[in-house]
Amino acid sequence: GAGVSQTPSNKVTEKGKYVELRCDPISGHTALYWYRQSLGQGPEFLIYFQGTGAADDSGLPNDRFFAVRPEGSVSTLKIQRTERGDSAVYLCASSLGSGPYNEQFFGPGTRLTVL
Amino acid sequence: AQSVTQPDIHITVSEGASLELRCNYSYGATPYLFWYVQSPGQGLQLLLKYFSGDTLVQGIKGFEAEFKRSQSSFNLRKPSVHWSDAAEYFCAVGPPNNNDMRFGAGTRLTVKP
Repeated sequence: GAGVSQTPSNKVTEKGKYVELRCDPISGHTALYWYRQSLGQGPEFLIYFQGTGAADDSGLPNDRFFAVRPEGSVSTLKIQRTERGDSAVYLCASSLGSGPYNEQFFGPGTRLTVL
Repeated sequence: AQSVTQPDIHITVSEGASLELRCNYSYGATPYLFWYVQSPGQGLQLLLKYFSGDTLVQGIKGFEAEFKRSQSSFNLRKPSVHWSDAAEYFCAVGPPNNNDMRFGAGTRLTVKP
């Protein structure tokens, strides 16, 4: 299948550690989105890439969170000095272009647990 | 600011019964509205969306939703539920650029045999 893939599927880390979460979008999709889904909540927008650049990072909660997409395909979400409150499922989505007429296709997510 | 409320955290229906999941939104302009379904271990899947035009929208898997501006609602319906419909359902509202979609907290659907 050629869907959005995310690795790892599960990540357990200790408070204060650094983690990287990877997203492989659908081939040819120029737009890529990161969301965070806490337990019992809906996805919360974090950041949106159009190509290589972060077009909208207004959802990143603080400067411990950073994301890159250096070649306009794979993206990595980086979290420094993790805190227990960062525990959540991190979802990635991609779309052919930006705008609501382009459906966002979601990956299965990475479940992050910070002990 | 845009927001979405899904008043029902959990709904249980019998297989073959009809279903209605409620969604209320708050948005300053004409909203773009979406319903997604999330099954365990699966990614979110788009069921249907409303941008403009006919207020009754047909989606995949036999779902439909009706946009009611006067009630700020976009309720999801299905005439006859199947056991495979058991999942979490999310309503979302987005601005025209679709970057900052706001999701509701979700409604978990359980289907009784």
